[in-house]
Amino acid sequence: EVQLVQSGAEVKKPGESLKISCKGSGYSFTSYWIGWVRQMPGKGLEWMGIIYPGDSDTRYSPSFQGQVTISADKSISTAYLQWSSLKASDTAMYYCATPYYYGSGSPHDAFDIWGQGTMVTVSS
Amino acid sequence: SYELTQPPSVSVSPGQTARITCSGDALPKQYAYWYQQKPGQAPVLVIYKDSERPSGIPERFSGSSSGTTVTLTISGVQAEDEADYYCQSADSSGTYPNVVFGGGTKLTVL
Repeated sequence: EVQLVQSGAEVKKPGESLKISCKGSGYSFTSYWIGWVRQMPGKGLEWMGIIYPGDSDTRYSPSFQGQVTISADKSISTAYLQWSSLKASDTAMYYCATPYYYGSGSPHDAFDIWGQGTMVTVSS
Repeated sequence: SYELTQPPSVSVSPGQTARITCSGDALPKQYAYWYQQKPGQAPVLVIYKDSERPSGIPERFSGSSSGTTVTLTISGVQAEDEADYYCQSADSSGTYPNVVFGGGTKLTVL
């Protein structure tokens, strides 16, 4: 079974750093783009960026460029999303997702496999 | 920055047809995708490449495209279809196309 399993919920203070993870299984992790999507409480989906684990080619939405870092460790089939200094406005659910079944190899394909989400709460 | 525009809400009675639109200048050149999201759950892809339906998605879900607008149609709406629906596409400018989601449409089944 193809699946993405994300790390657990986090509660952090403003200014702290954080790295959340997304582990892929059941497929060739290095052969498919894996992206991150933010959903703030009660709000819509926002495409943050995407990485191709095979060569670490990474693309960011202009809205998130410089705000987060996306990386991947192909040796353990895991993608990461990290912040160096969290803000209260980073409070959100974060999903990883991959275009496994219906993609064409493009970084802007639809996501057909999603992780369960990681809730990040930033509060003093 | 590129935007996809959806109506905030659509309401239909069970058995009727719901149509949710998504407008964007680059839609004639870029595929659109549609997701369904129910409360507390991750999104589910219901339409890809404008009008293709993934395996396991009921036939009552269909997609179409006309100029700068794409439409998700749900025929014979059922109570279980009540959810938020999001379109996704990309602009075609710049070195790397900018991927965006529409603002989402809340479908209410009366």
